[in-house]
Amino acid sequence: EAQVTQNPRYLITVTGKKLTVTCSQNMNHEYMSWYRQDPGLGLRQIYYSMNVEVTDKGDVPEGYKVSRKEKRNFPLILESPSPNQTSLYFCASSLFSLAFSDTQYFGPGTRLTVL
Amino acid sequence: KQEVTQIPAALSVPEGENLVLNCSFTDSAIYNLQWFRQDPGKGLTSLLLIQSSQREQTSGRLNASLDKSSGRSTLYIAASQPGDSATYLCAVVNDMRFGAGTRLTVKP
Repeated sequence: EAQVTQNPRYLITVTGKKLTVTCSQNMNHEYMSWYRQDPGLGLRQIYYSMNVEVTDKGDVPEGYKVSRKEKRNFPLILESPSPNQTSLYFCASSLFSLAFSDTQYFGPGTRLTVL
Repeated sequence: KQEVTQIPAALSVPEGENLVLNCSFTDSAIYNLQWFRQDPGKGLTSLLLIQSSQREQTSGRLNASLDKSSGRSTLYIAASQPGDSATYLCAVVNDMRFGAGTRLTVKP
């Protein structure tokens, strides 16, 4: 089954404790991205990747890191989480970059709470 | 900078009613516009993608239109059902800018 998976689905942590949210897709997609969703603000893009070893900042990259060492995986790293990073996070992928009319497939989301 | 707005933020209708959800964007230089559905606690599911050269797309009871010149897209849902209850989001694909969504409730 074609899908985007994220882990963990729920995470409660404390300020400053490094964490990683994993994202994996099994569709051989080149384009992957991370979003955060906050009430009243909609989804905002954090980082995206056009292919292996190619990453770029989205609208709200501060406080986040990503890596793309393999095509299928795109982990989101919070080196020193802060309470303002409490949010619902989504990973997404599409076959090529968004300019090519490709549908994006979204993961189920990770609800992160930073105390 | 592209801004995407969805009005209303919430909508409640009786079952069987036809309804229209609105999406507006400020920069008409778009490649595509996509409509998504989001169920509580779940990810987004793509409903329809309209390319900039198209004016509408249809899938079952859903019809999405795009008017680049006026900066608007609409999602028309015919004969609404309780199972249509969800949050509907539009996104300008090339910028990947999302609206905040319209939360739809269809009452039996």
